[in-house]
Amino acid sequence: NAGVTQTPKFRVLKTGQSMTLLCAQDMNHEYMYWYRQDPGMGLRLIHYSVGEGTTAKGEVPDGYNVSRLKKQNFLLGLESAAPSQTSVYFCASSYSLGHTSNEKLFFGSGTQLSVL
Amino acid sequence: GDSVTQMEGPVTLSEEAFLTINCTYTATGYPSLFWYVQYPGEGLQLLLKATKADDKGSNKGFEATYRKETTSFHLEKGSVQVSDSAVYFCALSEGRGSARQLTFGSGTQLTVLP
Repeated sequence: NAGVTQTPKFRVLKTGQSMTLLCAQDMNHEYMYWYRQDPGMGLRLIHYSVGEGTTAKGEVPDGYNVSRLKKQNFLLGLESAAPSQTSVYFCASSYSLGHTSNEKLFFGSGTQLSVL
Repeated sequence: GDSVTQMEGPVTLSEEAFLTINCTYTATGYPSLFWYVQYPGEGLQLLLKATKADDKGSNKGFEATYRKETTSFHLEKGSVQVSDSAVYFCALSEGRGSARQLTFGSGTQLTVLP
């Protein structure tokens, strides 16, 4: 079972360069998320999607764009990378986040991004 | 807004020691509470959860009880193993409009020595 797959696993960028992180899930989940993880700050939500063709801003959306053209894929883009975007990025998906016993996020293994 | 506060780490214990990682929360309603674990080089995995007051979540020997009166969800294990070395995140989920989002604490690094 693949679950949630993120590519690439590591990337080094120069300031001002652009890149796209790809997240793919094979569990037919409606909800997908992008988080960033920084030391001492836990995970912060960048953007999320509640279904194909929809996206919404999370806690720290500035400097990032996302797209959900297919249900199984959620792309995170950096148009002009900055050193402050050096972080570990995690994608996650879930069946639903309603008030049910099925609340559970499935995470990818992360992308380490360094912006010089 | 919602927030989660965890005890700061790192925490270092000897094998078979008792573990407590404190977690308190601030929320406007009645959130669900979670503990996620992140093993080295991996993404987060759900460890346990509780959806209402006085519920006890348990998994792999870990337990946490939803205490509404103290707004706490402390993680405990009676006898830790080297394989429990990981980062532990407390989180809450509360409804906002059409989507419920998870709010994470800053994480607590646990190292268990043989």
